[in-house]
Amino acid sequence: KQEVTQIPAALSVPEGENLVLNCSFTDSAIYNLQWFRQDPGKGLTSLLLIQSSQREQTSGRLNASLDKSSGRSTLYIAASQPGDSATYLCALGSGTYKYIFGTGTRLKVLA
Amino acid sequence: AAGVIQSPRHLIKEKRETATLKCYPIPRHDTVYWYQQGPGQDPQFLISFYEKMQSDKGSIPDRFSAQQFSDYHSELNMSSLELGDSALYFCASSPRAGGLYNEQFFGPGTRLTVL
Repeated sequence: KQEVTQIPAALSVPEGENLVLNCSFTDSAIYNLQWFRQDPGKGLTSLLLIQSSQREQTSGRLNASLDKSSGRSTLYIAASQPGDSATYLCALGSGTYKYIFGTGTRLKVLA
Repeated sequence: AAGVIQSPRHLIKEKRETATLKCYPIPRHDTVYWYQQGPGQDPQFLISFYEKMQSDKGSIPDRFSAQQFSDYHSELNMSSLELGDSALYFCASSPRAGGLYNEQFFGPGTRLTVL
């Protein structure tokens, strides 16, 4: 059974820092991996999608990498801003294509 | 660009009542997924449909049922509501099940509150 863990569970950093959020999974048979941002009580905003054949994707200050052999993905946020404060979720497409979500990292960027 | 539409956005029900949540996928998307996110929890997969047939089932209570219609919209029917059903319910759609086409596009969610 696929298990997805995100470390750290919570993170508080001063503005301007570069951050790395981690997503670990137990079964490397995945189709893709998607990173989302969720503001409190709100919906899911898609950030980056990495197909299983890809190693990384970049969008603006965000870079996501995927290493299936080690069961890990990282989301790198450069020059963090207070507006980046949110919960970040990774989701894996596996099995019959449903998404299995990670446990989330709650990020707070202090001004 | 058109997005996934969910209605209603907010719903308040009493215990033991029934609720129906609707999802309208992005045009030309034939696969629909339903997820439930309880307070402080990560989203959990409930059920999915591909070409109007159920394709997978997760931790969906027997009190819930769902279907996908000929126009590809989907409805999640929830009966005998319990306090624990209070959650944010997301619908997602994708253009085709599997492989490179499996990016899921999420709707804004329906917040269900059971009193």
